[in-house]
Amino acid sequence: DTGVSQDPRHKITKRGQNVTFRCDPISEHNRLYWYRQTLGQGPEFLTYFQNEAQLEKSRLLSDRFSAERPKGSFSTLEIQRTEQGDSAMYLCASSFLRVRGTGELFFGEGSRLTVL
Amino acid sequence: DQQVKQNSPSLSVQEGRISILNCDYTNSMFDYFLWYKKYPAEGPTFLISISSIKDKNEDGRFTVFLNKSAKHLSLHIVPSQPGDSAVYFCAASARYSGGSNYKLTFGKGTLLTVNP
Repeated sequence: DTGVSQDPRHKITKRGQNVTFRCDPISEHNRLYWYRQTLGQGPEFLTYFQNEAQLEKSRLLSDRFSAERPKGSFSTLEIQRTEQGDSAMYLCASSFLRVRGTGELFFGEGSRLTVL
Repeated sequence: DQQVKQNSPSLSVQEGRISILNCDYTNSMFDYFLWYKKYPAEGPTFLISISSIKDKNEDGRFTVFLNKSAKHLSLHIVPSQPGDSAVYFCAASARYSGGSNYKLTFGKGTLLTVNP
């Protein structure tokens, strides 16, 4: 399977614990995005990387959230001191920056976080 | 502040008939629009897109119409099939005016049910 893969698919944790999600993008894609989706809402932008550089962060990304993309390959999203409001589906997407083309993002299946 | 709005949470149509999903946007910087389809427990998958220089784009059973003056777009599915039952998200980006930022802003989605 050469699509975007995310791990773990589901994480249940207690409030106050730290969690980390991993995303492996499509190999030739140089852009990687993190989105969050809560019930009844569309995906909301959190942050994106071009290669290893984090170019933009949403105001939704509080200080407890940190994302990395070492060497421009896989990415991790860490949430420290989780709160119940962090419960959501965390979606990773990748794309290839080019002038022509549809410019669509390819999404993974998501990592669902439940904070008890 | 919802910049992309899908005002119909759900839509039900009969197999073989036309499905029309609507989307409105408020940000004048948006110049590229996409529709994504999402099945339960899966990530969104790209369906069709349209640039602001066009008013129509067709791909098989799917056609997207864009009315820039009204800041409105719609997705037509003809004929509708039971396998089309899913949540459809409208998304927009300031692809050309925003410095090649492919960041997408999503609506809340419309649940389409196609009845056999």
